[in-house]
Amino acid sequence: LAKTTQPISMDSYEGQEVNITCSHNNIATNDYITWYQQFPSQGPRFIIQGYKTKVTNEVASLFIPADRKSSTLSLPRVSLSDTAVYYCLVSGAGTASKLTFGTGTRLQVTL
Amino acid sequence: NAGVMQNPRHLVRRRGQEARLRCSPMKGHSHVYWYRQLPEEGLKFMVYLQKENIIDESGMPKERFSAEFPKEGPSILRIQQVVRGDSAAYFCASSPQGGEKLFFGSGTQLSVL
Repeated sequence: LAKTTQPISMDSYEGQEVNITCSHNNIATNDYITWYQQFPSQGPRFIIQGYKTKVTNEVASLFIPADRKSSTLSLPRVSLSDTAVYYCLVSGAGTASKLTFGTGTRLQVTL
Repeated sequence: NAGVMQNPRHLVRRRGQEARLRCSPMKGHSHVYWYRQLPEEGLKFMVYLQKENIIDESGMPKERFSAEFPKEGPSILRIQQVVRGDSAAYFCASSPQGGEKLFFGSGTQLSVL
């Protein structure tokens, strides 16, 4: 499994765009990149998943360069409620394997 | 379609007792993962199961911990002779196939007195 590296923490003001980058140098050809959000005392929640280039949904965008050795989660115009821990996970779709989370990025949004 | 259900939500045990944590995956999901999380820390993988099979238990302590996912019924994480260091939040997640996106339950907060 590809190991992931993320910043430990980030701070932002409300209304700003936040970009969280995850490094995964050993990503395999059939691996997907998935991001999760976790609030205190809750289980993680799926945000977005992608394989290459750009993926966008109603919550976030995911940018993946051609070499796929990193990915960037982009949160447009964050609000206080986006304060959470964000995890990047790399795994092979359809493969039976344990899914190991990294340390995550703790995002703190303030006024 | 109900999400992943974990119970109990909170569990208090005294040292030496047994703790049983239950996880009912989403309908149609045959893959279950268990994670442990200490305060202010990330999710630590414990075990990955498919129906009636343990696929990967490399994250499980060798002693006192066991997990099962029977053909019928929920997945069970069992901790025997609990110690204070077992106090943590235990999360279960399920997926329709291995390696795909996970759906998490709300977790069980285990407190060992």
